[in-house]
Amino acid sequence: QQPVQSPQAVILREGEDAVINCSSSKALYSVHWYRQKHGEAPVFLMILLKGGEQKGHDKISASFNEKKQQSSLYLTASQLSYSGTYFCGTEVRNTDKLIFGTGTRLQVFP
Amino acid sequence: NAGVTQTPKFQVLKTGQSMTLQCAQDMNHEYMSWYRQDPGMGLRLIHYSVGAGITDQGEVPNGYNVSRSTTEDFPLRLLSAAPSQTSVYFCASSLTSGSHEQFFGPGTRLTVL
Repeated sequence: QQPVQSPQAVILREGEDAVINCSSSKALYSVHWYRQKHGEAPVFLMILLKGGEQKGHDKISASFNEKKQQSSLYLTASQLSYSGTYFCGTEVRNTDKLIFGTGTRLQVFP
Repeated sequence: NAGVTQTPKFQVLKTGQSMTLQCAQDMNHEYMSWYRQDPGMGLRLIHYSVGAGITDQGEVPNGYNVSRSTTEDFPLRLLSAAPSQTSVYFCASSLTSGSHEQFFGPGTRLTVL
């Protein structure tokens, strides 16, 4: 039931772009994105609620294709502060459960 | 506001011991949940609650009990700890349901010997 995230790990140099994908086998009501730094709690980035919705947060944006049950997180012009593990969380329709993927580890180097 | 607080921060147990992980929030959130985090497994939902008096199972509920007698508190009980329960435990809360921003507590690192 866990959504599948890809890739599992990404290594970037400052200024490069990355895309993280999240795919579910269930019909979704919403998709969340969180970032977790080592030894800390996950921190909220954004929620996407509607099919086809896109959101932006500084140079981080995301899309949600409700029909395909997929979401993608776009990081542009990456900064050192973007390093961490990114998790998508999916809320399955007709449930109150928020189920997270296994995470994508992103490392940005100077 | 203190947000979501968890106690203790660290705990070592012996196999078979019981304990309660505490979680409290002061944001008047209806929805609260418990996750465990293991390397390579991401965050797995243990139990969740949509309001006082209402709880339900998540993905990995076996070996854990919860109750929600007040809006503020959502304790997680391990009745007979096993080494497989060694993990980092996060409590989270949100306004209502899973469709709102989840606020996570700082976590409890539990080791079962």
